[in-house]
Amino acid sequence: AQSVTQLDSQVPVFEEAPVELRCNYSSSVSVYLFWYVQYPNQGLQLLLKYLSGSTLVKGINGFEAEFNKSQTSFHLRKPSVHISDTAEYFCAVSERGSGGGADGLTFGKGTHLIIQP
Amino acid sequence: IAGITQAPTSQILAAGRRMTLRCTQDMRHNAMYWYRQDLGLGLRLIHYSNTAGTTGKGEVPDGYSVSRANTDDFPLTLASAVPSQTSVYFCASKPTGGNTEAFFGQGTRLTVV
Repeated sequence: AQSVTQLDSQVPVFEEAPVELRCNYSSSVSVYLFWYVQYPNQGLQLLLKYLSGSTLVKGINGFEAEFNKSQTSFHLRKPSVHISDTAEYFCAVSERGSGGGADGLTFGKGTHLIIQP
Repeated sequence: IAGITQAPTSQILAAGRRMTLRCTQDMRHNAMYWYRQDLGLGLRLIHYSNTAGTTGKGEVPDGYSVSRANTDDFPLTLASAVPSQTSVYFCASKPTGGNTEAFFGQGTRLTVV
């Protein structure tokens, strides 16, 4: 079974500063990795995903993430944040080749990104 | 309808009452899921369905039941609500395969009093 750890429950950052949201995963097989964003009072939407190939993936709203297999990490970064980036961010993993069970996503507990003016 | 629709948006429910949360998708996705979101606990899987006619238990299934009579609908039923079921409930769907993303509804905020 896989698991996801988001090391920070809350990250305060000043506007226009860079940010990194940390995500580590555990799995006995190869995985696919996702970051989702949840704006206040809304459902989750996909920010970016890593399936294969280049370990640096770019997503919407200027976010990017880097897959590091040796460190089993998939940290999310943005070079300059805006007030509108205030949201909950969830890292998620699914196993490659999963043929049974939920075939769904295992989520981390989320990181609340707080942008300070 | 575009994507996933959940109903109701919010509900206050007396303990002991029966309640069905509705979820409908128009993307013809095989897989559907119900999650509950609680502060500090993230998203926890309640039940899932990999295809119409099949369902399975997730991480926190007790007190909940689901059915999947067709591809589009995946209702979640609380047979006898308890206060610990106060939560925000999200329905999601995705095509089969671990490399596909899930699409989420807007959520149902349920308060059991």
